[in-house]
Amino acid sequence: SAVISQKPSRDICQRGTSLTIQCQVDSQVTMMFWYRQQPGQSLTLIATANQGSEATYESGFVIDKFPISRPNLTFSTLTVSNMSPEDSSIYLCSVALREGTEAFFGQGTRLTVV
Amino acid sequence: AQSVAQPEDQVNVAEGNPLTVKCTYSVSGNPYLFWYVQYPNRGLQFLLKYITGDNLVKGSYGFEAEFNKSQTSFHLKKPSALVSDSALYFCAVRDIINTDKLIFGTGTRLQVFP
Repeated sequence: SAVISQKPSRDICQRGTSLTIQCQVDSQVTMMFWYRQQPGQSLTLIATANQGSEATYESGFVIDKFPISRPNLTFSTLTVSNMSPEDSSIYLCSVALREGTEAFFGQGTRLTVV
Repeated sequence: AQSVAQPEDQVNVAEGNPLTVKCTYSVSGNPYLFWYVQYPNRGLQFLLKYITGDNLVKGSYGFEAEFNKSQTSFHLKKPSALVSDSALYFCAVRDIINTDKLIFGTGTRLQVFP
């Protein structure tokens, strides 16, 4: 298994500002994934982050709004830029140790934009 | 495109009774299927997976799932429900063709009554 530390666990932010979420894994992984989840709803993939290359964004998500860094095999950040109340959500980091196997998730960051 | 469907938004069951949470899938090639559980204000926890092998898969907390290729289903089951099983359950498929990302169903809220 993998232990994922995600921070902050929650934050309340003013609209127009940016928040950077950090994800630290206790083992080296090739791909990391960032998801968004409205409370009580399903998870939507924002992007896949590979070490040493640009992140791959899903339809409806763009790099200017959700820039991602992946400086090494154990760490990634997701920034939510120029926030609006519509960005209020839970953001989750995820990793899989090997292709095709189960994914592990961080505890999530609960973001409220006011 | 890979997808999973969870036809029930909520399942109610009395404690001690068997429970079933339904999931059907649509994939190209062999399916990599997973079940996750999410307790309130918590991240996702892995329950079980089907990659290959026996159609009946056993997982954490007494849960099991039956892979049925002819019905393209992967229903989650437990012989005797506990009140503590009340949570949000997600079925997911791994898109091994496209970045190995997980694609989630819409989720089913399980409510176990004493």
